[in-house]
Amino acid sequence: SQTIHQWPATLVQPVGSPLSLECTVEGTSNPNLYWYRQAAGRGLQLLFYSVGIGQISSEVPQNLSASRPQDRQFILSSKKLLLSDSGFYLCAWRDRGGNTIYFGEGSWLTVV
Amino acid sequence: AQSVAQPEDQVNVAEGNPLTVKCTYSVSGNPYLFWYVQYPNRGLQFLLKYITGDNLVKGSYGFEAEFNKSQTSFHLKKPSALVSDSALYFCAVRASFSGGYNKLIFGAGTRLAVHP
Repeated sequence: SQTIHQWPATLVQPVGSPLSLECTVEGTSNPNLYWYRQAAGRGLQLLFYSVGIGQISSEVPQNLSASRPQDRQFILSSKKLLLSDSGFYLCAWRDRGGNTIYFGEGSWLTVV
Repeated sequence: AQSVAQPEDQVNVAEGNPLTVKCTYSVSGNPYLFWYVQYPNRGLQFLLKYITGDNLVKGSYGFEAEFNKSQTSFHLKKPSALVSDSALYFCAVRASFSGGYNKLIFGAGTRLAVHP
């Protein structure tokens, strides 16, 4: 069966420091991968999606970037964090031929 | 514009009573509709989906949803609520864009509170 791992679960970072959140999916090949951000415990905003290695599409301009160095690995990064980057970040995946998106457990980022 | 609306910010129901969480949508083409549940500090869990076929879809934990094309609705229901059902519920629709690109559009979420 397929599983998704996301880490770290919680992160407190000072303003201006770098960020790296990682996500890996097991039990599937060539999935579509996604990064979402959830602010204030409610709405979900799609940040990035990827249909293959090295292929990243950004939904909104921002201080973050994403990379997909391997088929089942998706990384969310920033060179210099802003206070407004605080939030709950969710990695998700979908089988290429499937309809359903499945989410990881999320990473809480607090920028101080 | 393609969108999803969850008109209720919060739904309160007594344990053992039926519950309904409302969702309406606006998309071009045939809708692919989904419900997810989120417990505190956790990721979203998939509950059920409608792609085609029977308008009444059954999902996890005793939940079901009814697709109504004429009303463009996909309300989540459960015959008898449990306190453990208390969580944040998201409705989502797959929206299609030019170039064959599609993505999930989420509603703002509805907080369900089930009281003993």
